[in-house]
Amino acid sequence: QKEVEQNSGPLSVPEGAIASLNCTYSDRGSQSFFWYRQYSGKSPELIMSIYSNGDKEDGRFTAQLNKASQYVSLLIRDSQPSDSATYLCAVAFPFNKFYFGSGTKLNVKP
Amino acid sequence: EAGVAQSPRYKIIEKRQSVAFWCNPISGHATLYWYQQILGQGPKLLIQFQNNGVVDDSQLPKDRFSAERLKGVDSTLKIQPAKLEDSAVYLCASTRGASGGYLAATDTQYFGPGTRLTVL
Repeated sequence: QKEVEQNSGPLSVPEGAIASLNCTYSDRGSQSFFWYRQYSGKSPELIMSIYSNGDKEDGRFTAQLNKASQYVSLLIRDSQPSDSATYLCAVAFPFNKFYFGSGTKLNVKP
Repeated sequence: EAGVAQSPRYKIIEKRQSVAFWCNPISGHATLYWYQQILGQGPKLLIQFQNNGVVDDSQLPKDRFSAERLKGVDSTLKIQPAKLEDSAVYLCASTRGASGGYLAATDTQYFGPGTRLTVL
């Protein structure tokens, strides 16, 4: 059973703060990890991908991967109200199979 | 390049009726996915195609759901007969797709806009 766990939230942060979103996964065979943002009523859009241990930065977003702990996180610096959405963690397995967490709802308060 | 196309965007049907959804992936993408997303949950894979072959349909309720991908391009997902619990958003996604193994470092999964199904 390939489990991808996320705290459903909502996670509330003030504008300008750092939002920290976490995800754990059960299968050590996973190699690729993705964060998707999903606005209400919209489909998921990719914001970050990470494949190796450590940090990967892209603008205000930083993805962190720790394979030993089976943990991947997303940090959003200088959070904006437009960042308010549900963030989905996805884990990819052989043969391009993706498994998604249930998502964490983020609210950024002006 | 054009994104993943889906139609219809919304559908309302009575239980026990049938419904069909259509998806056209990004041009050249070999792998196509259908997901079901129930409100408050993450997408759940229903079926995955590699070209016109099925890679995984282990979570497809085969007594009522069917899917095909003729000629390895566009795909249809059908529900017959529909149940109340089928109310969800049906997402189609595609990847460039290798013949097997893990995604290339720059590959990713692109989603269509989804079809919101309401079963009354």
